[in-house]
Amino acid sequence: DIQMTQSPSSLSASVGDRVTITCRASQSISNYLIWYQQKPGKAPKLLIYAASTLQSGVPSRISGSGSGTDFTLTISSLQPEDFATYYCQQSYITPFSFGPGTTVDIK
Amino acid sequence: QVQLQESGPGLVKPSETLSLTCTVSGGSIGNFYCSWIRQPPGQGLEWIGYGHYRGSTNYNPSLKSRVIISVDTSKNHCSLKLKSLTAADTAVYYCARDMITYGGSLNGLDVWGQGTTVTVSS
Repeated sequence: DIQMTQSPSSLSASVGDRVTITCRASQSISNYLIWYQQKPGKAPKLLIYAASTLQSGVPSRISGSGSGTDFTLTISSLQPEDFATYYCQQSYITPFSFGPGTTVDIK
Repeated sequence: QVQLQESGPGLVKPSETLSLTCTVSGGSIGNFYCSWIRQPPGQGLEWIGYGHYRGSTNYNPSLKSRVIISVDTSKNHCSLKLKSLTAADTAVYYCARDMITYGGSLNGLDVWGQGTTVTVSS
């Protein structure tokens, strides 16, 4: 099975900050990398697919990059609605494993 | 647009079988793969597997011996059955839409149900 790791596990940031989250796969997954945002008590929401393609309706301050084993999610200017937990998922080989999550909270 | 809604018992006894349904509205379940994901309290997401109306299924090896996912196009829903439950199966269970091509899912899980909480306890 492919193992996914994320760093950091949590971070504190202020509105307007630039935030970067890293996701690493235990083997190459090409660009089969998905990013989700989850708020407490809610279902995850798809943000980015194919490592860098923004899902319709997702604000352009959110971006993704990477291929192979190393990926990043960047929020260029953090907004109040961005405080949440972010998960990466590899969708290359089943089981489609998730990273452990990164919680972004208010500094 | 397509919407998904999970339903099922909130409380199940240990050793019993969990049965959940994911009802599709605004579209046809025949057009996508029905995936199930769960999230134990305070923990991360675990991919359970997917099913397709043509009979294709794929399960997480950690659950493979206990899980069945099926699709019923006449009712426009898919189902999850998980047997031999233990307290470790306590979680919020989500269904989600996926599109699988050549074994992978480039587009991810783009539509999710709201989730249903399942507690395994006597």
